[in-house]
Amino acid sequence: DAKTTQPPSMDCAEGRAANLPCNHSTISGNEYVYWYRQIHSQGPQYIIHGLKNNETNEMASLIITEDRKSSTLILPHATLRDTAVYYCIVRAYYNQGGKLIFGQGTELSVKP
Amino acid sequence: EAGVTQFPSHSVIEKGQTVTLRCDPISGHDNLYWYRRVMGKEIKFLLHFVKESKQDESGMPNNRFLAERTGGTYSTLKVQPAELEDSGVYFCASSQESNSATDTQYFGPGTRLTVL
Repeated sequence: DAKTTQPPSMDCAEGRAANLPCNHSTISGNEYVYWYRQIHSQGPQYIIHGLKNNETNEMASLIITEDRKSSTLILPHATLRDTAVYYCIVRAYYNQGGKLIFGQGTELSVKP
Repeated sequence: EAGVTQFPSHSVIEKGQTVTLRCDPISGHDNLYWYRRVMGKEIKFLLHFVKESKQDESGMPNNRFLAERTGGTYSTLKVQPAELEDSGVYFCASSQESNSATDTQYFGPGTRLTVL
């Protein structure tokens, strides 16, 4: 079972920042937080991952709380193409061969 | 660089028939994963290859499913005989390393299987 909890859906206005929360209260010290998204009819797409420090790449920023029990994915300027289901996944070092355990995710709708 | 490719993109078969799905990973990626999403459910892990060896097949639903990766390059997933509940989207992913929590899995576009 997935070790994360996410809201089922969120809306965001185009051009505004989208902040997607994720709770992972049972995360262990060796577990990373990964974010993927799935745009309709496509395969999941990697976005970003982190352990305890905040991370930023060309797609998004990941903010992890100090106690690591929750995190927020930030899309700084959401566009209509960011409409997708976003998955927060907790993954351990040497995690059983590397499989990803997906939950229900958050369906983000970016509106004009 | 080509991404993960899957063939066919869609397959419609009748119950009891056999279907074979193919996945070509990113060149040089030793790790290949199969996942699937059946209607209304989450994406679920099926199995993981490291080169030609099955590292983890704990997600395979039953013995009607057979995955192979001869030569450690492309992989096939055969469903024989197909049942109605096998309908869904089958995804393949590949990555360079598996003994790390930081190896990134890259997914293909999926094969949509419909069993009538």
